[in-house]
Amino acid sequence: GAGVSQSPSNKVTEKGKDVELRCDPISGHTALYWYRQSLGQGLEFLIYFQGNSAPDKSGLPSDRFSAERTGGSVSTLTIQRTQQEDSAVYLCASSSGRANNEQFFGPGTRLTVL
Amino acid sequence: SQKIEQNSEALNIQEGKTATLTCNYTNYSPAYLQWYRQDPGRGPVFLLLIRENEKEKRKERLKVTFDTTLKQSLFHITASQPADSATYLCALAPQGAGSYQLTFGKGTKLSVIP
Repeated sequence: GAGVSQSPSNKVTEKGKDVELRCDPISGHTALYWYRQSLGQGLEFLIYFQGNSAPDKSGLPSDRFSAERTGGSVSTLTIQRTQQEDSAVYLCASSSGRANNEQFFGPGTRLTVL
Repeated sequence: SQKIEQNSEALNIQEGKTATLTCNYTNYSPAYLQWYRQDPGRGPVFLLLIRENEKEKRKERLKVTFDTTLKQSLFHITASQPADSATYLCALAPQGAGSYQLTFGKGTKLSVIP
C-alpha cells in the first residue's frame, strides 16, 4: 500500500509570499501530525489532528501558520507572509491513532524562503 | 524545562562492531520511548518502542534498553553494517492524554566504516 505522500518535494519562495504544503496520509489513519525540521535541530511538533476532534495547535510558532484537514484525510499546512526563518523541511506523519502507535512519515517538503 | 539529549551528533564505528547510541532526558516522565531511523532526504522510519515498565526490547540486530532511574535509553546495533549508516532519533511521549505528542532528540548520525 501507499505510504504518506507530501507535495511539493521542494518549494522556493520569496519572503512575504504565502505557501501551501500538502500531505496525503495512509488510508484509514485517523491521526495526522505536522513537524518542522531545521538544520541541526530535532523535529519540532507543529500540529496534531485526530479524527473529528479539535486539533492540537500548540506547536504552531506564530499566527502565520495554519493547517486544516479535510474529510479526515488530506491535510494542508499554510504559511502566510513567509520569513527566511521559516526555511526548513516540513514533515507530515500519520498513525492509526491508538496509544503508543508508531508514526509513519512522509518524505517531507523542503521550503526555502529567499 | 524538558530536555532530551542524544549523546553525540556523530558516531563512527567499524563494520561488525556493536554501535551504542544514548538518549538522556531530564524533567520528563515518559510513558514510552521510540527510536527512529532517518536517511538523508527522507522522513524518519519507526524502529522500536519501549514502555516505561519495560527494561529491554529486541528486534533482529537491534536492542533498546530503558532505565527510568537513570533517565536514559540505550540503542544497540550488533554486527553493524555499512547499510546501518543513518541518523537515529529517539522520541519520548508524555504520560496521560497527551501521549500522542512525541518530543524528538536531535539525533545521532551513525557511520559504519567498511
